[in-house]
Amino acid sequence: GIQVEQSPPDLILQEGANSTLRCNFSDSVNNLQWFHQNPWGQLINLFYIPSGTKQNGRLSATTVATERYSLLYISSSQTTDSGVYFCAVGAGGTSYGKLTFGQGTILTVHP
Amino acid sequence: SQTIHQWPATLVQPVGSPLSLECTVEGTSNPNLYWYRQAAGRGLQLLFYSVGIGQISSEVPQNLSASRPQDRQFILSSKKLLLSDSGFYLCAWSASGFSYNEQFFGPGTRLTVL
Repeated sequence: GIQVEQSPPDLILQEGANSTLRCNFSDSVNNLQWFHQNPWGQLINLFYIPSGTKQNGRLSATTVATERYSLLYISSSQTTDSGVYFCAVGAGGTSYGKLTFGQGTILTVHP
Repeated sequence: SQTIHQWPATLVQPVGSPLSLECTVEGTSNPNLYWYRQAAGRGLQLLFYSVGIGQISSEVPQNLSASRPQDRQFILSSKKLLLSDSGFYLCAWSASGFSYNEQFFGPGTRLTVL
């Protein structure tokens, strides 16, 4: 099946710093989502971005499907950005929307 | 708007006891439904998915089963829990029809088997 690799596995920042999280995937996808898992375990949808670029406030994401990677940018980080960021991808055909998750990036933002 | 509920939020069960976790979705019809498990706080693994009432597909062989008795209800069960069944269980839904529809997750159930 499709493989998803996220980097870095851990990231520690000071408040106000910028960061880039990367997601590499091994095959063509027709679904790519970025999630933030908060301390209570809730998965919050950040972006649905199988291709192209999107921005939402201090967060933006870019997916280059032909090169099989996606990037999540966090600017002017805040302590509330701390948590685990997951990339998840879905293939086409008879996949029925099933997502394969990366192992996540644990982000810690210090005041 | 659509809402997804899971209960219970937390559960502590002895080894060998049965399990029933419930997931319901509001505000949509004929959704695709999914059960995932997260162990040790990293990475989610898909356990089951369903594209309609009574239609269940299993992704990994294990001690668990799933059922979909109603259009917007998805149940995860076990007859006898193992220690290895401990984890965080998340239910998710997506709109039916296209495999690339965005997926949305419930709040999860944290299961501890002692």
